Parts: sequence; C-alpha cells; structure tokens
Amino acid sequence: GEDVEQSLFLSVREGDSSVINCTYTDSSSTYLYWYKQEPGAGLQLLTYIFSNMDMKQDQRLTVLLNKKDKHLSLRIADTQTGDSAIYFCAESISSSNTGKLIFGQGTTLQVKP
Amino acid sequence: GAVVSQHPSRVICKSGTSVKIECRSLDFQATTMFWYRQFPKQSLMLMATSNEGSKATYEQGVEKDKFLINHASLTLSTLTVTSAHPEDSSFYICSASQGIQYFGAGTRLSVL
Repeated sequence: GEDVEQSLFLSVREGDSSVINCTYTDSSSTYLYWYKQEPGAGLQLLTYIFSNMDMKQDQRLTVLLNKKDKHLSLRIADTQTGDSAIYFCAESISSSNTGKLIFGQGTTLQVKP
Repeated sequence: GAVVSQHPSRVICKSGTSVKIECRSLDFQATTMFWYRQFPKQSLMLMATSNEGSKATYEQGVEKDKFLINHASLTLSTLTVTSAHPEDSSFYICSASQGIQYFGAGTRLSVL
C-alpha cells in the first residue's frame, strides 16, 4: 500500500538552511505536498509540487522532487525561530478520486537562536 | 483565499454526552471534506471522507455510529462524537478540498 516516510527530528541554527526529506511509494501520485503544523494548531499548506516538475521555489522555500527515487525534499533558506514546527510531507493517492492524502509521520524542526 | 474555519477550538464534556464539531469553507465551495484525528506527537489519521449530499466514507476501524458525519452543503460538514468517552479525547482536524486540501485549526476534545 501507499506509505510516506520522514525523519522525525531536525535541529538547525538560526540563519542556516534546513532540509527536510521525505520518501513515498505511490509512483503515480499526482501531487506532493508540504504542510506546517505549529503546536496546538491545524495544518498550514506551505507548498506543493506537481509530479511532472523537478523543482519549485517560493521565496525561502525550495521543493525538489526526484521521481525516480520517489524522494521529496523541502529546503528552508535562512531558517528563523518562527520556522520551528512540525513539517508533514503528503502524497495524493492516485487510486482515489476524492483527493485523499497519505501523510508522513512529521519532522519536528527545532531552530536554535 | 482558501480559508477553513473549524469550531469549537476546544471542548470539554462529560462522559456519555455528544459533541458536534463544525467545519466550514469560508471562501470556496468544497465538494469533499475530510475528518482526521491526531494523537499526541503522531501524524494525522484519516477518519472519513465526506461528500456533499451523500453518505460519508469511513476508514477501516472507524465506527460510523460513533462518529456521525453530515455534509449538508458545499461549505459545511459536521462531525458528531456520540456518547463520548475518555478514550475519544483527541485532536480532531478537518480539511476542505478544492483539489488541494486546506485545513481547519483543529478541535481539542477532552472527555472527563
């Protein structure tokens, strides 16, 4: 079945770049997403990438997609303390016509001042 | 754009009572809404998919008589936790889909 894997924890210093990695299994997945969750809050859509793209950049965020290896990454440039949160990778399920998503376990990003 | 409102944000209730949670898409129409449950320090667990005007589709292991879902309009879905017990205490999050899922802020349910 479909599965999404992420590392659980990443710690960086303020001003450094953060790279959060994700692997997925559904090679027919159309869209891949990155969501951010702050404590006690819902999920905020950060960015998404269509499966026929290799890269997408949006201000400090860069998403890289390697379809061959089914690997997705999110790079946050100039990481700030406000970026501390849990980041979820998600893939759309190709067999679903309702837009169901499969989420990874979430990566906790800790930004040290 | 793409704002999803979820209400209430927090509810405390006595065991045996029912609790209703509302999920509204404020600036778009959502034919599909999703309900998730999240345990502490864990990922989201999909409970059910809700389509406007039809019965919800529940994931395996989710009791449909326990978690009643109604999707009466293109902008509103409700989740009712019936006869709540302490083990139902959790963080419930909804999302509304416009092709892309946008999430509400979540509801923290505590059952005493």
